[in-house]
Amino acid sequence: EPEVTQTPSHQVTQMGQEVILRCVPISNHLYFYWYRQILGQKVEFLVSFYNNEISEKSEIFDDQFSVERPDGSNFTLKIRSTKLEDSAMYFCASSDRQGGNYGYTFGSGTRLTVV
Amino acid sequence: AQTVTQSQPEMSVQEAETVTLSCTYDTSESDYYLFWYKQPPSRQMILVIRQEAYKQQNATENRFSVNFQKAAKSFSLKISDSQLGDAAMYFCAYRFIMNRDDKIIFGKGTRLHILP
Repeated sequence: EPEVTQTPSHQVTQMGQEVILRCVPISNHLYFYWYRQILGQKVEFLVSFYNNEISEKSEIFDDQFSVERPDGSNFTLKIRSTKLEDSAMYFCASSDRQGGNYGYTFGSGTRLTVV
Repeated sequence: AQTVTQSQPEMSVQEAETVTLSCTYDTSESDYYLFWYKQPPSRQMILVIRQEAYKQQNATENRFSVNFQKAAKSFSLKISDSQLGDAAMYFCAYRFIMNRDDKIIFGKGTRLHILP
């Protein structure tokens, strides 16, 4: 079964540093998303992306965050200057909205620890 | 605004027994999608079951079934013949798609313990 792949699985970074979280969505999917889950809390929407632009973003997704699809396969989330409160599990997801499959496929997540 | 509420933070069930996890949601839309996701200790999000709101028939996937009550905005998950591998966090989720508006809203989750 096709998978969404996220790398790295765990990243530790110092406060104020930039991090890039990488995702390879399912190849025929056109819609891409990032979600965040702070430990012990619920999964929160960050941003959706379609046709090489942001479709929607939450209030969490401020100027410190950016996304891009640099090469047609990877989908990245960049945090410019990390804060302690950015420590969380970050999930990438993709969807095709076709064929009755209206569920997302999530990646296995990247655990980001900001120290 | 759409919301998803899971009123049971934790539940326990004896192995081989049946358990039902509750979920209610609030929306003014008529066409949407509902999901249950399982999150084991590895923290991966695994789709358990999905339901299209326009379908009256409740979805079933092997030991997992839902009780979808559209008028009551209720979407409970029933796990039959519970197994140790079912122990996980379970999230109820709602998805509405309208043009560029497309995201999943999750409930806070129910942690399910399976007692041997």
